[in-house]
Amino acid sequence: QSALTQPASVSGSLGQSITISCTATSSDVGGYIPVSWYQHHPGKAPKLMIYDVSNRPSGASYRFSGSKSGNTASLTISGLQAEDEGDYYCTSYTSRYTYVFGTGTKVTVL
Amino acid sequence: QVQLVQSGAEVKKPGASVKISCKASGDTFTNFYVHWVRQAPGQGLEWMAIIDPTGVVTRNAQKFQGRVSMTSDTSTSSVYMDLNSLTSEDTAVYYCATEPPHTRYFDSWGQGTLVTVSS
Repeated sequence: QSALTQPASVSGSLGQSITISCTATSSDVGGYIPVSWYQHHPGKAPKLMIYDVSNRPSGASYRFSGSKSGNTASLTISGLQAEDEGDYYCTSYTSRYTYVFGTGTKVTVL
Repeated sequence: QVQLVQSGAEVKKPGASVKISCKASGDTFTNFYVHWVRQAPGQGLEWMAIIDPTGVVTRNAQKFQGRVSMTSDTSTSSVYMDLNSLTSEDTAVYYCATEPPHTRYFDSWGQGTLVTVSS
């Protein structure tokens, strides 16, 4: 049972914005713990999209942004494109010096 | 950015062990930690373990305690993960990924290694 809960699926039309939430359900990952987000297309390696809650690495589209409020982190995709379809995972470092992935969210572009 | 190349697919019988390699290039091998992450069919990503490039520091998820071990070979810029006592539930794609030290994120990933456990 992951300590980070995400919605199973989120969908949006081309050009719209969507937001994926990532809620810490355990004190192990509460508080200020760096959160990162990954895009995963089937059969490919995951790709880092956001780190340290809201920082975007080079190579990640400007349409991706991150935020955090309390024990919930969020990933927003603006101007949704067909290539944004895929699975998205948040991850966090825990107080037990381990890491945990969120349950994952399937993004569908309508 | 570092490039990671993993060893090829494996088929193992229940109870056996598997050893997967992850070879790094493009950056100094001692500049990052290496993590192992897996994805079972129809499931999400699951963090397994971490090793520092010297091989001195390792940690793993409680779920894999006693079954996973890792080694590092700086001469070949490679990290190896051994998983023993395999069951069908270990059938998954295994990824290695790098973390710039103390940053808590994974910036480069290997292509994945499919391990199939079947009798």
